[in-house]
Amino acid sequence: DAGITQSPRHKVTETGTPVTLRCHQTENHRYMYWYRQDPGHGLRLIHYSYGVKDTDKGEVSDGYSVSRSKTEDFLLTLESATSSQTSVYFCATSGQGAGNTIYFGEGSWLTVV
Amino acid sequence: AQSVTQLDSHVSVSEGTPVLLRCNYSSSYSPSLFWYVQHPNKGLQLLLKYTSAATLVKGINGFEAEFKKSETSFHLTKPSAHMSDAAEYFCVVTPSSNTGKLIFGQGTTLQVKP
Repeated sequence: DAGITQSPRHKVTETGTPVTLRCHQTENHRYMYWYRQDPGHGLRLIHYSYGVKDTDKGEVSDGYSVSRSKTEDFLLTLESATSSQTSVYFCATSGQGAGNTIYFGEGSWLTVV
Repeated sequence: AQSVTQLDSHVSVSEGTPVLLRCNYSSSYSPSLFWYVQHPNKGLQLLLKYTSAATLVKGINGFEAEFKKSETSFHLTKPSAHMSDAAEYFCVVTPSSNTGKLIFGQGTTLQVKP
């Protein structure tokens, strides 16, 4: 398995507070992704990165921002957390090239109260 | 536009009987196709992938899938289910350019009865 570490793994936060989730990889993969998983919706892409300081929006990017200052780290920030952002967040990485396997982290459970 | 449809949200089988999880895709490009498994409270693990080589793809834990372009299908099969196979399964498509925008199916929950 690829070395992908997400932190924190579990967090409870209050509405309106900022929250940052961290994804760290040791595989030197070019691409990194943040997904959220919700019942009935499967996994939906929030943002992804195709290199240091190169990021793009996914299908559910509103209310989220990302940063990638180093190859190994991809941060997801909820600028002002809302209850609708209660979810499980997965980081994923892949190397360059068509058909490269996507590797997933173990997930971060976020509850916004 | 690309899309993935998993035709069954839930599948229930008895231990020792065959498993069939169905996936249809729509793609304007030559797609890469994947099956991932997710056990409760875990991340997603790759079962197998198709990347325009052999159309019959063998994966881990006895799973395999066949890419059928004429039917735009990529169904997952296993000859004999084990209790440990109970999990959620996702069919995923990615364009040949690998921009990173994976398209996920909605998932199929596999229940294995003793």
